[in-house]
Amino acid sequence: DIVMTQSPDSLAVSLGERATITCKSSQSVFYSSNNKNYLAWYQQKPGHPPNLLIYWASTRESGVPDRFSGSGSGTDFTLTISSLQAEDVAVYYCQQYYGIPWTFGQGTKVEIK
Amino acid sequence: QVQLVESGGGVVQPGESLRLSCAASGFTFSGYAMHWVRQAPGKGLEWVSFIGDEERSTLYVDSVEGRFIISRDNSKNTVYLQMNSLRPEDTAVYYCAKVGEVRTTMGYFDLWGQGTLVTVSS
Repeated sequence: DIVMTQSPDSLAVSLGERATITCKSSQSVFYSSNNKNYLAWYQQKPGHPPNLLIYWASTRESGVPDRFSGSGSGTDFTLTISSLQAEDVAVYYCQQYYGIPWTFGQGTKVEIK
Repeated sequence: QVQLVESGGGVVQPGESLRLSCAASGFTFSGYAMHWVRQAPGKGLEWVSFIGDEERSTLYVDSVEGRFIISRDNSKNTVYLQMNSLRPEDTAVYYCAKVGEVRTTMGYFDLWGQGTLVTVSS
């Protein structure tokens, strides 16, 4: 199984400041035949299902604010919220869809400082 | 409206069975693979099961293999999860999720239902 490890487990950021979450996979999720990283990011607010933010490591889902961005390749990935807003308080998960079973990181809780 | 709506959750005793349903609308259901993902209370996300767009392919996490059965009825735009021999550790909110690209197995999950709670307790 591909193990996904996020850091930190939680972080508190002031409104308007940058929040950065990292995700490391136990093996590469880059598929050279199509030059794509099989890595997604989800946001989950309390009492709600997860919501897709980013796929192919850096493609923003339609309707997702451009303050959210994804980067990285191979085994190391980052989700950045460029200017934290109150509505961004949530738990964020990375997920690999390169191998079976599909696996998620443990989640990173983002709060307002 | 593009949505997934789960139903069928409830409280059962260990060893009992339950069938979850996930009704899809607003998209061409038959073209997309589907998943079930669960989340134990206060915990993270765990993938449970996959079914291909034409039901030829099904996959399960090891902990439910042999106990759970995923199926779909494309005429009813519905995916099911038959859960047998339930254990307390199966207690979770169960979400169905749609793969983001048509006729794709290894894809991200672009649409999630609101979830249905399954509680296994004596």
